Amino acid sequence: EAGVAQSPRYKIIEKRQSVAFWCNPISGHATLYWYQQILGQGPKLLIQFQNNGVVDDSQLPKDRFSAERLKGVDSTLKIQPAKLEDSAVYLCASSTGQGRGYEQYFGPGTRLTVT
Amino acid sequence: GDSVTQMEGPVTLSEEAFLTINCTYTATGYPSLFWYVQYPGEGLQLLLKATKADDKGSNKGFEATYRKETTSFHLEKGSVQVSDSAVYFCALSSGGSNYKLTFGKGTLLTVNP
Repeated sequence: EAGVAQSPRYKIIEKRQSVAFWCNPISGHATLYWYQQILGQGPKLLIQFQNNGVVDDSQLPKDRFSAERLKGVDSTLKIQPAKLEDSAVYLCASSTGQGRGYEQYFGPGTRLTVT
Repeated sequence: GDSVTQMEGPVTLSEEAFLTINCTYTATGYPSLFWYVQYPGEGLQLLLKATKADDKGSNKGFEATYRKETTSFHLEKGSVQVSDSAVYFCALSSGGSNYKLTFGKGTLLTVNP
């Protein structure tokens, strides 16, 4: 089966500009996650969707970050305006459900550089 | 809150050497434990997992045992190959409302021929 797809793979923008990332999860996966991975650190959860509802967005900087999941399938993550500290890899993951031991499948990520 | 501490890298080994990457955790609930691997240019992949105390997860020659008494989940492999060169992440999921993953910082492993 096809894996989690993300685009673009790389993006370079100037601070104060806006940017959007797209994720297409594995078909049939109800749960979708966006993680931020800063260089030298492990991924940190930004937002989790169950179908098209938000389960957890407690670590999403809501003054500049937004995310949506239309029709419970594809998702977009937007940053507006970007700051230098937003430079990171943004990972999308999906799973069949949420619960003890469920495996999350990760996409290749989008590497964002803010100059 | 939940946290994962893993051995800092980079770790450089010769082919066929023994590998240990240490991982300890702090969790508010009863966590499931995972090791993920990230090969160069690729996304994170689940390597192995354990969901209860004394469980041993294993895959591709790698093993890790869930030790509740020492809150540890060390990754081991008896004989590494060049193809094992990657970044390894220890992670936990401790339930609550969403079973989110909490990751360690990752350990870069380089295996030389």
